[in-house]
Amino acid sequence: QTVVTQEPSFSVSPGGTVTLTCGLTSGSVSTSYYPSWYQQTPGQAPRTLMYNTNTRSSGVPDRFSGSILGNKAALTVTGAQADDESDYYCALYMGSGWVFGGGTKLTVL
Amino acid sequence: EVQLVESGGGLVQSGGSLRLSCAASGFTFGSYWMHWVRQAPGKGLVWVSRINSDGSSTIYADSVRGRFTISRDNAKNMLYLQINSLRADDSAVYYCARTSTPAVFDYWGQGTLVTVSS
Repeated sequence: QTVVTQEPSFSVSPGGTVTLTCGLTSGSVSTSYYPSWYQQTPGQAPRTLMYNTNTRSSGVPDRFSGSILGNKAALTVTGAQADDESDYYCALYMGSGWVFGGGTKLTVL
Repeated sequence: EVQLVESGGGLVQSGGSLRLSCAASGFTFGSYWMHWVRQAPGKGLVWVSRINSDGSSTIYADSVRGRFTISRDNAKNMLYLQINSLRADDSAVYYCARTSTPAVFDYWGQGTLVTVSS
């Protein structure tokens, strides 16, 4: 069974840049998987950040960008701010359903 | 404004059943695919099920297939999830979500908590 992988945690300094990735235990992530990204803070519903690899959802600042880097989908946060501290989840469309990654806890300090 | 409001969660005994509901407003409900996604306490998001716009096609995650049934009533703008043979590992917040452009969950409800006791 293919698993979607994400870094469990990442730390970035305020104003810094960080790239979170979304991979597969078997194979490469491509645009055909329609990678999407979601931000979630404790006790809140997820917020949609990015879809179709690199399309920002309405209202999402352009500090957030999506791409394919090598064999993974990637979410880059440029100029990190304190309120970017959240859990970030990617999701891939597998044809027979969707699979979320385990999430990355991003700390801004 | 798009709104999704879940209800129907609660404390239920192992082996029991529950029907979750999601009331949709602010958009043409019958034009969109809908999903259920769950999140166990302190854990990540897990996709559960999807139903197409007219309810004629449904798919499920392997972990729930045969026990969960997704359905919708487009006349009432309602999405449902019937959960049978509940197990402890079904304990989670259950979110309903809308799919817009291919394969993105673009709007989410606030979730309803299901707790399964043994």
